[in-house]
Amino acid sequence: DAGITQSPRYKITETGRQVTLMCHQTWSHSYMFWYRQDLGHGLRLIYYSAAADITDKGEVPDGYVVSRSKTENFPLTLESATRSQTSVYFCASSEIDRDVSPLHFGNGTRLTVT
Amino acid sequence: EDQVTQSPEALRLQEGESSSLNCSYTVSGLRGLFWYRQDPGKGPEFLFTLYSAGEEKEKERLKATLTKKESFLHITAPKPEDSATYLCAVQAGNTGKLIFGQGTTLQVKP
Repeated sequence: DAGITQSPRYKITETGRQVTLMCHQTWSHSYMFWYRQDLGHGLRLIYYSAAADITDKGEVPDGYVVSRSKTENFPLTLESATRSQTSVYFCASSEIDRDVSPLHFGNGTRLTVT
Repeated sequence: EDQVTQSPEALRLQEGESSSLNCSYTVSGLRGLFWYRQDPGKGPEFLFTLYSAGEEKEKERLKATLTKKESFLHITAPKPEDSATYLCAVQAGNTGKLIFGQGTTLQVKP
């Protein structure tokens, strides 16, 4: 089925470990985004990508790395996880050929850093 | 600084009791305002896009309206299945980035 798939759905890791969250979309949307959702802060943009090999920082990029070698994949890596990165992470995508278009979200990855 | 504020944070309604959710925004050059619904454990689900003041969109029991400073999501005769968190977001530039409010959690009791 078409859509956005995030994996894993749940992840527990230890402080200092590297962890990668995966995002795959089947719509061939050019734009992809990573948001984190926390109580009291709502959804905040971490990184986004306009196309393969083009990425840019969002509101809260520190401690995260992204890559986009293929249009359909947009992995998010926490290089050295910290407890403050415990959150729910959402990947989203949108079309490029419309100036204003909604984001379509995956069902999220709940990450706990102990 | 671009900002989106939603009120109330939480709303409890009886089934059939109509009400409105508010989304106030300050943004330079609004390109579009979006409403999403989010169920527990799920990602936000797109509901509406509003582009300019005066515009209205409807879907079942929901109607979204837009002015130059705020948007309302009107819920008419809600049912328990309308219980969810409703998110408002704005797009200011042409990068596709959305700025979200913190949401209103709606509970509709039978």
